[in-house]
Amino acid sequence: DVKVTQSSRYLVKRTGEKVFLECVQDMDHENMFWYRQDPGLGLRLIYFSYDVKMKEKGDIPEGYSVSREKKERFSLILESASTNQTSMYLCASLEQTNQPQHFGDGTRLSIL
Amino acid sequence: AQSVTQLDSQVPVFEEAPVELRCNYSSSVSVYLFWYVQYPNQGLQLLLKYLSGSTLVESINGFEAEFNKSQTSFHLRKPSVHISDTAEYFCAVSPLGGYNKLIFGAGTRLAVHP
Repeated sequence: DVKVTQSSRYLVKRTGEKVFLECVQDMDHENMFWYRQDPGLGLRLIYFSYDVKMKEKGDIPEGYSVSREKKERFSLILESASTNQTSMYLCASLEQTNQPQHFGDGTRLSIL
Repeated sequence: AQSVTQLDSQVPVFEEAPVELRCNYSSSVSVYLFWYVQYPNQGLQLLLKYLSGSTLVESINGFEAEFNKSQTSFHLRKPSVHISDTAEYFCAVSPLGGYNKLIFGAGTRLAVHP
């Protein structure tokens, strides 16, 4: 069965900290995605990666960066956390075209 | 560019009643269509998808959705809901030929009451 694991379910950080959110998939998928979910806005794509060391900006990349050094791991980095980055963050992976994305359980991040 | 509009942010309904969650999309290219469900404190799970072929697609737990190209809609229906269907439902589209990016609607919170 497909499994996407996000390292933390809940995380509390302070303004200005550098924050790492980790995501690991065990299906050898090439495509991985980071979304943030906010009430009334649905899910918005931050970054995605279609191969190791390859990345593309999504719709809201400002304030974020990503790293994909290995195929199974896709990290989201908040360079200097701000309160408006308090949100639920969801990671997903995808095998190939016309297949559904598989989601992790999410990380609820609070920036104080 | 694509966009997805879910016309109802919240839908309250009594158990065993029918329900329809509405979804309209806008796109200049052909798209795949999806409904995802999110139960409390969980990630998203695929409920059903339309890729091609029959415009009526069904899920294993009694939901169905119909692709209407002329109205650019993909409404989700269930003839009789259960308490366990309480969740948030997201409609999403993915343009053909891209990197499988999903564009989501804002979500509809379905609350089933006894």
